[in-house]
Amino acid sequence: EAGVAQSPRYKIIEKRQSVAFWCNPISGHATLYWYQQILGQGPKLLIQFQNNGVVDDSQLPKDRFSAERLKGVDSTLKIQPAKLEDSAVYLCASSFAGGPGDTQYFGPGTRLTVL
Amino acid sequence: AQSVAQPEDQVNVAEGNPLTVKCTYSVSGNPYLFWYVQYPNRGLQFLLKYITGDNLVKGSYGFEAEFNKSQTSFHLKKPSALVSDSALYFCAVRDRGSTLGRLYFGRGTQLTVWP
Repeated sequence: EAGVAQSPRYKIIEKRQSVAFWCNPISGHATLYWYQQILGQGPKLLIQFQNNGVVDDSQLPKDRFSAERLKGVDSTLKIQPAKLEDSAVYLCASSFAGGPGDTQYFGPGTRLTVL
Repeated sequence: AQSVAQPEDQVNVAEGNPLTVKCTYSVSGNPYLFWYVQYPNRGLQFLLKYITGDNLVKGSYGFEAEFNKSQTSFHLKKPSALVSDSALYFCAVRDRGSTLGRLYFGRGTQLTVWP
């Protein structure tokens, strides 16, 4: 079974530029999550989708971050404009149904460096 | 509010010796508890979870964890450590009563197993 795919793996941009990350979840998984992992910290949830609807985006900085999951499969996370403090690893995860007991499976992440 | 504490930033153990990585949690209700492992430049890999039932949970690669409700702990253990177990370990919690899938992670514990 293929795992969660993410691209690109690494990205370096200047502050105030825009960037986009792509995620393809495990086939059949209805729930998709984007987490931000800052160096030295645990991952923090940015947004959760159930199929193509947003379930939880309470921690998403909506003035600069946006995400979509058209057709309920792939997802894109965008940052515009980027700030220095956005330097982090962005992890995508998916789970079968999204319930509290469901296991979330993570992709390899995209490491973003903002200069 | 949910939170996880991993009191040790680093754990060092000799190969063949038992290892313990500590985790305590705080949730408003009853918890679901998870352990993940992260190797360099890789995403998080699921090790095990506590949902209900037996307090001793067995997971991948010979790891196990014990749920202790009175001490609000979920320590990760392995009877005999391997050099290949060296990695960053994250404990995570989710409120059983929540309809959301958000995982709350600890800051991580770097495990080093020396030959």
